[in-house]
Amino acid sequence: SQQGEEDPQALSIQEGENATMNCSYKTSINNLQWYRQNSGRGLVHLILIRSNEREKHSGRLRVTLDTSKKSSSLLITASRAADTASYFCAPSGNTPLVFGKGTRLSVIA
Amino acid sequence: SAVISQKPSRDICQRGTSLTIQCQVDSQVTMMFWYRQQPGQSLTLIATANQGSEATYESGFVIDKFPISRPNLTFSTLTVSNMSPEDSSIYLCSVGTSGQSEGYTFGSGTRLTVV
Repeated sequence: SQQGEEDPQALSIQEGENATMNCSYKTSINNLQWYRQNSGRGLVHLILIRSNEREKHSGRLRVTLDTSKKSSSLLITASRAADTASYFCAPSGNTPLVFGKGTRLSVIA
Repeated sequence: SAVISQKPSRDICQRGTSLTIQCQVDSQVTMMFWYRQQPGQSLTLIATANQGSEATYESGFVIDKFPISRPNLTFSTLTVSNMSPEDSSIYLCSVGTSGQSEGYTFGSGTRLTVV
């Protein structure tokens, strides 16, 4: 299993601003997934991007994937206080998902 | 996507005792996993629960401490045995599809405090 490494570890922005989080990984993948975790709760799957895709949108989320650089980014546009959470990327191959330390996003109203 | 019911949601236990956590899924799933999240940390994979056979444990986790059952494709239990304060964590079950073509679904977690 391989885990992604999220950057930055913490991010604080004002409501309405955009938030960008990055993820790097080491080996080839089938897809890369992003998850959100509100404090003390289970993870929620946000979006999955396949290795042959470069960009994917879902509502206010935009994910990019650069397999040559082994990196991905998650952009949350027009952030809201409810977006305050930890965000994890999970590079997916043929083994169970493992998770890095995540990015802790704080959106200040 | 699957819906998971995980019980109990929280518990406070005495050291030396054991706690069994249940995970019930509303549909048959191929892959079931158990994770632990220690305070302020990320998730750590404990094991893959295999239907009808012994679970596959990750490095640092052993069956004697974390016995897992999976009698069918919709249910699994994780037992935390002979607990110590270091076992205080959130325990999460998760389900996924073969080939991981879709995202995992997570239970809401069991917050365990050992005193």
